[in-house]
Amino acid sequence: QQQVRQSPQSLTVWEGETAILNCSYEDSTFDYFPWYWQFPRESPALLIAIRPVSNKKEDGRFTIFFNKREKKLSLHITDSQPGDSATYFCAASVDTNAYKVIFGKGTHLHVLP
Amino acid sequence: NSKVIQTPRYLVKGQGQKAKMRCIPEKGHPVVFWYQQNKNNEFKFLINFQNQEVLQQIDMTEKRFSAECPSNSPCSLEIQSSEAGDSALYLCASSLQGQAPLFGEGTRLSVL
Repeated sequence: QQQVRQSPQSLTVWEGETAILNCSYEDSTFDYFPWYWQFPRESPALLIAIRPVSNKKEDGRFTIFFNKREKKLSLHITDSQPGDSATYFCAASVDTNAYKVIFGKGTHLHVLP
Repeated sequence: NSKVIQTPRYLVKGQGQKAKMRCIPEKGHPVVFWYQQNKNNEFKFLINFQNQEVLQQIDMTEKRFSAECPSNSPCSLEIQSSEAGDSALYLCASSLQGQAPLFGEGTRLSVL
């Protein structure tokens, strides 16, 4: 049973375009959603995170849009750069439930110059 | 600039051998996680601790995995009898309560 789903599995965009990465979850008790990016041969690094009190979180070119009713969120990367090419993981956790963090299977983003 | 320190970076073991890896969490982070990331990049939660106490762990029915986080010593994850299927990247992470985990660089285990 996969609690956090990501789509697409792989995404290719041109430099300058907006990349949209999708994430959905099943457990309505999840209340914290960090996104990580991971470059080849490196460990995951926190990119941006959101809590359900907000429906949008922005950090530079990276924006999370959150729809609590539909249990969906998306990561938008505007003005994509080749250096953004990485695997992006959506994660979910419940603050009060022993801090277990569930990861999706990731979206592999290619940004072509 | 990861402040979670994992050692060793690479570990090569033969089948049946013990494999032990260590983790020093970020200073001040009470929660420590261990994840296994396979070659398909999928994360498998193994165990987490808060201040040396186990919070949750998977059903390690094979009992080949053990972990501990003693006070004033590095946390550790040990595989008692390594199998080929254990080959993966083992990630340690730490966090403050309610914050996203910060990952170390990982220990890449190869079981020959």
